Amino acid sequence: DAGITQSPRHKVTETGTPVTLRCHQTENHRYMYWYRQDPGHGLRLIHYSYGVKDTDKGEVSDGYSVSRSKTEDFLLTLESATSSQTSVYFCAISESKGLAGSSYNEQFFGPGTRLTVL
Amino acid sequence: QKEVEQDPGPLSVPEGAIVSLNCTYSNSAFQYFMWYRQYSRKGPELLMYTYSSGNKEDGRFTAQVDKSSKYISLFIRDSQPSDSATYLCAMRYNQGGKLIFGQGTELSVKP
Repeated sequence: DAGITQSPRHKVTETGTPVTLRCHQTENHRYMYWYRQDPGHGLRLIHYSYGVKDTDKGEVSDGYSVSRSKTEDFLLTLESATSSQTSVYFCAISESKGLAGSSYNEQFFGPGTRLTVL
Repeated sequence: QKEVEQDPGPLSVPEGAIVSLNCTYSNSAFQYFMWYRQYSRKGPELLMYTYSSGNKEDGRFTAQVDKSSKYISLFIRDSQPSDSATYLCAMRYNQGGKLIFGQGTELSVKP
């Protein structure tokens, strides 16, 4: 398995409180991603990073911020948690690999964090 | 309308059956197509990867891409109870790496 850990694995919090989720990798991969997974929606990209201090928004970034101060760590922060942010959050990492005629960029996923906002 | 549509199931089949999982998409610019398998309470893992159109086979698994119809399929032959999982299709436009996922299809293979 790719060396990806997420912490905490489970968290219950109350509406209005700040929450930070951590993703840690030991693969030295350049790209890191945060997704949320909800029934009926599959996986949706929140934010991603293409290097230290280089981040960009995904399709569902409202209410979330991220930071990456080291290659191995990517933090996702909910500044003021809402019940609509109850979800399972996955971190993923990838490194571009070139194949003849194409570019291959497999994403490896972490084990996920279950967040419940009451 | 979602860019990628996938029937969420659940799909239940007997052991040994041939399983067909499908996704449709709306944007003809997609060039890279993937299937991920996700066991309960685990992260997704890459199962199959295809660039552009055509077929790709890996053991009991075959991935097909029909760009003219904007339709991709995953076939599982001689299905096993260990294949019980959620299968997610995913695709992207270019080398940039951002994936667009389908909703996932939950598959149960009964002994």
